[in-house]
Amino acid sequence: DQQVKQNSPSLSVQEGRISILNCDYTNSMFDYFLWYKKYPAEGPTFLISISSIKDKNEDGRFTVFLNKSAKHLSLHIVPSQPGDSAVYFCAAERGGSNYKLTFGKGTLLTVNP
Amino acid sequence: GAGVSQSPRYKVAKRGQDVALRCDPISGHVSLFWYQQALGQGPEFLTYFQNEAQLDKSGLPSDRFFAERPEGSVSTLKIQRTQQEDSAVYLCASSLGDSARRIQFGNGTRLTVT
Repeated sequence: DQQVKQNSPSLSVQEGRISILNCDYTNSMFDYFLWYKKYPAEGPTFLISISSIKDKNEDGRFTVFLNKSAKHLSLHIVPSQPGDSAVYFCAAERGGSNYKLTFGKGTLLTVNP
Repeated sequence: GAGVSQSPRYKVAKRGQDVALRCDPISGHVSLFWYQQALGQGPEFLTYFQNEAQLDKSGLPSDRFFAERPEGSVSTLKIQRTQQEDSAVYLCASSLGDSARRIQFGNGTRLTVT
């Protein structure tokens, strides 16, 4: 049973436009959420995170929104750049097990010049 | 180097062989994690060490999988009698504290079982 779901396997956007990547979760015990970016043949690298007590966190071109009632979060990238092309993973941490992350399957983002 | 180092980068094993995958965490990092990433999937938690103590091994798929970190630094993930379903990228990560929030991943070992 997938507790963290990324229902779009891929997304393609034009350079300069907004990229919106979505993530849904089912476990209400999750209290911290993270986004990772992964290039081929490399490990995932941390991008941005949000605590469940907040609904928005912004870092430069990246903003994560959390809707707890809908158990949904999204990552916005504005403006998108070709170097953003990568697989993006949504991950969640459960209160009381803060050493363990549950990942979604990832979304491949392609930003076209 | 400054990052988490894993070796080998690629490993091909015949079904039934034993393999050992090595992880050198960032110096001084207390916590070490192993994840398994199958093709088309996200990473899945295997096990967690704090120093030399293995505090959680609930994600290990079977008793053919064994991990150790005897001196609280380098870790080895051993898979005995490999099966085709063991084919995956094995990711090691480490962090300074006991939380996964600041973990840094290595580039992984891609294991192919033929």
